[in-house]
Amino acid sequence: DQQVKQNSPSLSVQEGRISILNCDYTNSMFDYFLWYKKYPAEGPTFLISISSIKDKNEDGRFTVFLNKSAKHLSLHIVPSQPGDSAVYFCAAGTSGNTGKLIFGQGTTLQVKP
Amino acid sequence: KAGVTQTPRYLIKTRGQQVTLSCSPISGHRSVSWYQQTPGQGLQFLFEYFSETQRNKGNFPGRFSGRQFSNSRSEMNVSTLELGDSALYLCASSLAGGSHQPQHFGDGTRLSIL
Repeated sequence: DQQVKQNSPSLSVQEGRISILNCDYTNSMFDYFLWYKKYPAEGPTFLISISSIKDKNEDGRFTVFLNKSAKHLSLHIVPSQPGDSAVYFCAAGTSGNTGKLIFGQGTTLQVKP
Repeated sequence: KAGVTQTPRYLIKTRGQQVTLSCSPISGHRSVSWYQQTPGQGLQFLFEYFSETQRNKGNFPGRFSGRQFSNSRSEMNVSTLELGDSALYLCASSLAGGSHQPQHFGDGTRLSIL
């Protein structure tokens, strides 16, 4: 049973436009959500996080939105840049089960110049 | 500030052998988690160590084990290797593994089983 799902394996956008990556979860106990970016031959790099008490968190070009009732979160990248091309993972965790993250399968983002 | 360091970067073993992977967390980080990444299964949680104690465990067989030392460095051991153990093994550290503290990953150890 996959508790965190990224249903789009890939996404292609034009440089300067908005990239929207989506993630759904099933476990209502999750209260902390994160996005990671991964380049080939490197480990995942932390991008941005959000706790369940918020519905939006922004950091520069990256914004994460959380819809708890729909058990859905999304990452918006505006404007998209070619250097953003990577695999993006969403992850979820619970306060009472620290140190354990459940990851989605990842979405490969390609930003075309 | 140095990041999470994993050694070795690449490893080739044969079926039936055992292997030990090492992880040095970011200085000051006390929680170390291990993940297995495969093309079909994505990143799957193996276990987490905090203050030399295993605090969380994923759904992996007992052949997968780990430990943490007093300096927070961690090792992961896999015994009786199987072909399916071929994967990228990632280590991540966080300050105390508490809520709302992101984990920071190393670049992983690529394990290939022949």
